Amino acid sequence: EAGVTQFPSHSVIEKGQTVTLRCDPISGHDNLYWYRRVMGKEIKFLLHFVKESKQDESGMPNNRFLAERTGGTYSTLKVQPAELEDSGVYFCASSLAHPGNTIYFGEGSWLTVV
Amino acid sequence: SQQGEEDPQALSIQEGENATMNCSYKTSINNLQWYRQNSGRGLVHLILIRSNEREKHSGRLRVTLDTSKKSSSLLITASRAADTASYFCATDANTDKLIFGTGTRLQVFP
Repeated sequence: EAGVTQFPSHSVIEKGQTVTLRCDPISGHDNLYWYRRVMGKEIKFLLHFVKESKQDESGMPNNRFLAERTGGTYSTLKVQPAELEDSGVYFCASSLAHPGNTIYFGEGSWLTVV
Repeated sequence: SQQGEEDPQALSIQEGENATMNCSYKTSINNLQWYRQNSGRGLVHLILIRSNEREKHSGRLRVTLDTSKKSSSLLITASRAADTASYFCATDANTDKLIFGTGTRLQVFP
């Protein structure tokens, strides 16, 4: 069974450009999460989807970040326009019904804004 | 407020030795999970322990949970060079999101 997959694995963009990260959760997982770790700091929650609905987006840093999950399958996270402080690794995760189930993470999308 | 703090921040040991990492948190939880991250890679789930459990084993891993002290420990026995990685605890704090600790960087020398 495939795990959580993320694309691209690495991206280098210039300040002001747009980047779209994609996440495919484990098949059958209604819960999908985005986390990020910037500048070697802690891994922090961004938002949580249940199917196509945003359950909690309290961690989204500002309106330059837009997450979607049309159809309740894969999700995208767009950063527009990107700033230097957005550099870091963006993790996607998925799980079955929460709470109480293991949350599985992808390999991450490593973003560098120059 | 920061939920999880791990101790030590860094740990260096020789192969065959045991490694113990500790995690403290601040609020009540449903579950606590431990993850490993190899350099430049993603987060690998190691073990989940529920708030009503006190100890759990998985292979060479042993996790304990003390809800009265709001702390957990991860013990890796007979460590191997391949165990070199960063280890994170994460709690759910009765919400849908995980709160991660700062992580412990483990270096196992051959």
